[in-house]
Amino acid sequence: KNQVEQSPQSLIILEGKNCTLQCNYTVSPFSNLRWYKQDTGRGPVSLTIMTFSENTKSNGRYTATLDADTKQSSLHITASQLSDSASYICVVSSNSGNTPLVFGKGTRLSVIA
Amino acid sequence: NAGVMQNPRHLVRRRGQEARLRCSPMKGHSHVYWYRQLPEEGLKFMVYLQKENIIDESGMPKERFSAEFPKEGPSILRIQQVVRGDSAAYFCASSRSTGSDEKLFFGSGTQLSVL
Repeated sequence: KNQVEQSPQSLIILEGKNCTLQCNYTVSPFSNLRWYKQDTGRGPVSLTIMTFSENTKSNGRYTATLDADTKQSSLHITASQLSDSASYICVVSSNSGNTPLVFGKGTRLSVIA
Repeated sequence: NAGVMQNPRHLVRRRGQEARLRCSPMKGHSHVYWYRQLPEEGLKFMVYLQKENIIDESGMPKERFSAEFPKEGPSILRIQQVVRGDSAAYFCASSRSTGSDEKLFFGSGTQLSVL
């Protein structure tokens, strides 16, 4: 069964600190992996998209890594800001079928002063 | 260049009433997806539509739920005879094409509350 598991479920960090969120998946066949940021009461916004051949991709203070062999990804946030408080969702795309996106439940990040 | 527009933002219905949720995709996008999100849960796929066609409705309950994306106008997700379990956030997303690398753009969602 195609699944995306994220950890931790929630995380609290101090402003300015770094953190890393984890994503494990069993989706097959694999096409790409995406990280989204979802603010409370808003729709998800895309942060990164990585294909099979990409190991790392950055978007400002966000850096995503992908290990397609172990089917793991991480999202590293550097020098966190209060505005980083949100849910971070890992989404894996399969290249089969009409609607291939499988969503994780997200990690709820709270950045406090 | 407006993003994906959903309305209403909040919708309150009593059990047995009908709920209509609207989604206007981004300009130039002809592919629309509907997702449902329960508190503390991930987004669950419901239905994928292309102009005037339902491509995949495998995530949508067979009864009471329907969706359309007419040639003119927004996509509509319709829930008849709502029940308390229908209370959730419903998100619409659009894309320009169906390529596996195609980016999805999400609306802000409609929060449906069934009393």
